[in-house]
Amino acid sequence: EVQLLESGGGLVQPGGSLRLFCATSGFTFGGYAMNWVRQAPGKGLEWVAGISSSGGSTYYADSVKGRFTISRDNSKHTLFLQMNTLRAEDTAVYYCAKHKNSRGNAASDSWGQGTLVSVSS
Amino acid sequence: DIQMTQSPSSLSASVGDRVTITCRASQGISNDLAWYQQKPGKVPNLLIYAASTLQSGVPSRFSGSGSGTDFTLTISSLQPEDVATYYCQKYNSAPRTFGQGTKVEIK
Repeated sequence: EVQLLESGGGLVQPGGSLRLFCATSGFTFGGYAMNWVRQAPGKGLEWVAGISSSGGSTYYADSVKGRFTISRDNSKHTLFLQMNTLRAEDTAVYYCAKHKNSRGNAASDSWGQGTLVSVSS
Repeated sequence: DIQMTQSPSSLSASVGDRVTITCRASQGISNDLAWYQQKPGKVPNLLIYAASTLQSGVPSRFSGSGSGTDFTLTISSLQPEDVATYYCQKYNSAPRTFGQGTKVEIK
């Protein structure tokens, strides 16, 4: 069974940093691209960042480019999101999501339960 | 960047009704489109990928169609458990943009 478990969320002041983790099991982590998707309170889904299966290619939404960094450790089956210079508008539940297949572009067929990031003074 | 526009933003229908949600891409995306269902307080769930392929375990009353720029999600006979917000997403290239969502309620 595929399992994705996010952690690392919490309350942080504007301008601060957080590192999110997504621990995975139940599939060959190194064979699949992964994404981070967020959802602000009462709002819709927003794709944040994606990373190829090897980690050699990364992609970002304009809203986080230059502030967030997605990375992965295939030996530890873990996905990361380093978030710097946080703003109030980054407040959201952050989900990690697995690509459905090993193609570079695919839908996301498994999602974690999410971790809440709150940016406030 | 390609924008994804869903309509309507919300709808109310009776149990057993046929419900259709549309998603329009500002540029062609072939059939690289997915539909997700998010029930209140829950994690998004993949319903359809490649515009029209039903994800394993999803009831057959859900179907998808379209290619290029115009796509539809149809629920052939609305059930009470279908109350949710539905999102389309393009995944042909980054950014993998979502539509703004369509909230479906029972009348």
